[in-house]
Amino acid sequence: NAGVTQTPKFQVLKTGQSMTLQCAQDMNHEYMSWYRQDPGMGLRLIHYSVGAGITDQGEVPNGYNVSRSTTEDFPLRLLSAAPSQTSVYFCASSFDFTGESPHEQFFGPGTRLTVL
Amino acid sequence: AQSVTQLGSHVSVSEGALVLLRCNYSSSVPPYLFWYVQYPNQGLQLLLKYTSAATLVKGINGFEAEFKKSETSFHLTKPSAHMSDAAEYFCAVSWYNQGGKLIFGQGTELSVKP
Repeated sequence: NAGVTQTPKFQVLKTGQSMTLQCAQDMNHEYMSWYRQDPGMGLRLIHYSVGAGITDQGEVPNGYNVSRSTTEDFPLRLLSAAPSQTSVYFCASSFDFTGESPHEQFFGPGTRLTVL
Repeated sequence: AQSVTQLGSHVSVSEGALVLLRCNYSSSVPPYLFWYVQYPNQGLQLLLKYTSAATLVKGINGFEAEFKKSETSFHLTKPSAHMSDAAEYFCAVSWYNQGGKLIFGQGTELSVKP
C-alpha cells in the first residue's frame, strides 16, 4: 500500500491564483481530512469528510473548498490564494470513528505552499 | 471549549537522560488522547493513544504516557533519550462521536545533545 499520498510536494503561487492540492489514499478509509501546520500553532483542521459525498468544515475553512467524489481522493482547492495561506498542508485518513475507540489517523508527507 | 496545551515549545535533553513532554487538556467530556511525532520534512506518525482502557499507555520507540484525570494531563515520557528521538511532538485530543476530528497542541520540539 502507498498509504496517503499528496501532490505536489512544493508549490509557489502568486496572490490571487487558484490551485488544487491533491490527496489520495489506498486503505479504503472512510474518514479524510486536511490540516494546515504553522509554526507555534500545531495543526489546525481545515475541512474533513466522513465518506464520499459528505464534507464538513473544520476550524479554519475560509478560503478553501473541498469535495469528495470517491473514497480514495480528497482534493483541497484554494480559490484565490493569499499570503496568509502560506503553510504546510497535511492530508490524513482513517477508518471512521466507531465510538468505542478512535482509529489511528495516517498522515501524508505534506505540501509546502508559499504564496507571494 | 475543548483545547490542548503543550508546555514548552522547545525541550533539550542529553542523550541517555529522561524525556518529559507535557500535555494538558481542557474538556467537558471524557477525551481520547494521542501523541504524534514528526521527523523533519515528514508527516506525522502515531506514537501512542489513550482510549480509556488503561491509564498508562505504552507506545513505539520506548515512549509511554499516563492519563491523569485529576490533573487533566497526558505527559509523554521516555526513560533514556536517544539521538534519533530528536523531532517535534504533538499532543492531540478527540472525543466520542466527533468523527475522528483531532484538536492538536502547539507542538514541542525535542533536541537531544550528545
